[in-house]
Amino acid sequence: AQSVAQPEDQVNVAEGNPLTVKCTYSVSGNPYLFWYVQYPNRGLQFLLKYITGDNLVKGSYGFEAEFNKSQTSFHLKKPSALVSDSALYFCAVRDGWMNTGFQKLVFGTGTRLLVSP
Amino acid sequence: DVKVTQSSRYLVKRTGEKVFLECVQDMDHENMFWYRQDPGLGLRLIYFSYDVKMKEKGDIPEGYSVSREKKERFSLILESASTNQTSMYLCASSSPLRGAPLHFGNGTRLTVT
Repeated sequence: AQSVAQPEDQVNVAEGNPLTVKCTYSVSGNPYLFWYVQYPNRGLQFLLKYITGDNLVKGSYGFEAEFNKSQTSFHLKKPSALVSDSALYFCAVRDGWMNTGFQKLVFGTGTRLLVSP
Repeated sequence: DVKVTQSSRYLVKRTGEKVFLECVQDMDHENMFWYRQDPGLGLRLIYFSYDVKMKEKGDIPEGYSVSREKKERFSLILESASTNQTSMYLCASSSPLRGAPLHFGNGTRLTVT
C-alpha cells in the first residue's frame, strides 16, 4: 500500500523567514502527491499536487512543493512565511485507481506550522 | 467553487444511540468519502462511494455504515455509538478525473458520552 510520512509534528518559523514542511512517500509506480491545509475548525483545503512534469509545483497562497524522486520526498515550501500561514498541513498520496474513475488518498499524520510575529 | 456541506458542526450523543451524519455536495461529483480525523493519526478513510448506491469499505469501517441514495448526498451512520467514535468526521467529494483533488466539508465534531 502507498503511504506518506510527515516526520515533524510541529514546525516553528518567524514571520518573513522561509518555511519547509517535510513529507516523504512510499509508492509502487508513479506517485500522485498532494498537500492540504487545515485552518482551525475548518475542513481541509487543497493547496497543490504533483502528477507529472516539473519537479517544482506551485500552488495556492504562495506555496510550492518540490518533488524529489531519488529522495522520495515532496516537501512544502514558502519563501516568506506569514502569521496567517499558521495551520495544520497534510501530505497525501493517491492509493489505488479504479476504472470507474475512483481514487482514494492516504494522508500523513499532519504537521502543525506555527509562524511567530 | 465546490461546496461540501456537513449538516452539523457539533454533535453530542449518548452511548448506544444511532447517529446520522449528513453530507451534501453541489458539484455533481461521482466520488464521495467519509474520513475521521484524530490527533496523531491523521485522516483515516471509513467508507467511500463512486456512484449512487455504490459503497466500499475504507480502512476503518467497523461500527459504521453509509448510504448514498442520491448523487449529491452521502450519509454516515453509526449504528450504535460508542465512546471510541468520539472524533472529527470529514466528508469529501471529487470528480473521477485522474489527480482530481478532494474537496472537504468543514467537519462534524462528534462527542459520544
